[in-house]
Amino acid sequence: GAVVSQHPSRVICKSGTSVKIECRSLDFQATTMFWYRQFPKKSLMLMATSNEGSKATYEQGVEKDKFLINHASLTLSTLTVTSAHPEDSSFYICSARGGGVSNQPQHFGDGTRLSIL
Amino acid sequence: KNQVEQSPQSLIILEGKNCTLQCNYTVSPFSNLRWYKQDTGRGPVSLTIMTFSENTKSNGRYTATLDADTKQSSLHITASQLSDSASYICVVSRGDDKIIFGKGTRLHILP
Repeated sequence: GAVVSQHPSRVICKSGTSVKIECRSLDFQATTMFWYRQFPKKSLMLMATSNEGSKATYEQGVEKDKFLINHASLTLSTLTVTSAHPEDSSFYICSARGGGVSNQPQHFGDGTRLSIL
Repeated sequence: KNQVEQSPQSLIILEGKNCTLQCNYTVSPFSNLRWYKQDTGRGPVSLTIMTFSENTKSNGRYTATLDADTKQSSLHITASQLSDSASYICVVSRGDDKIIFGKGTRLHILP
């Protein structure tokens, strides 16, 4: 089945550091990639949607200058948390979808647990 | 308002028993409904997907039902195993590509 690889799986860093998370679709072309944030025992919250080659669409309340998203190819999207602070600590999950239509399933990565000290 | 409500919030059952998780939604226009399983610290994995015209979909010991008239879905797990312990998330897609997540049901299987 379709596989989405997310890297790194765990990051611990100091406040003020910028952190980059990669999301790769390994066996299909991901025309659309999604970035989510999940707090403990809560549902996934969509942060932004990105289509290959175009700017990401951010959800209301998500700072686009804080969470930089790049989707430069059909197999790779990156999320950079700039100048991270302890309140940015969370579980970040990406998903990828091919085909460009909503009936195509989203395939999720295994998430990145970000801890800012 | 587009919402997906899941019940119960959490459930504890003994290994080998069956259980049913519920999902009610008010999403419109409806495109499809998926059930995902999310193990702790992992990403969600798709179990089933159903469109408007489908009533039942099975995947091994998992059987999902959909009643589009009452806007209800259920996920039935048969002969539960310890590895079924996870969060089960109901996700409804709208016709405009928006996706609404339920908060999930946390299932604990006890030996």
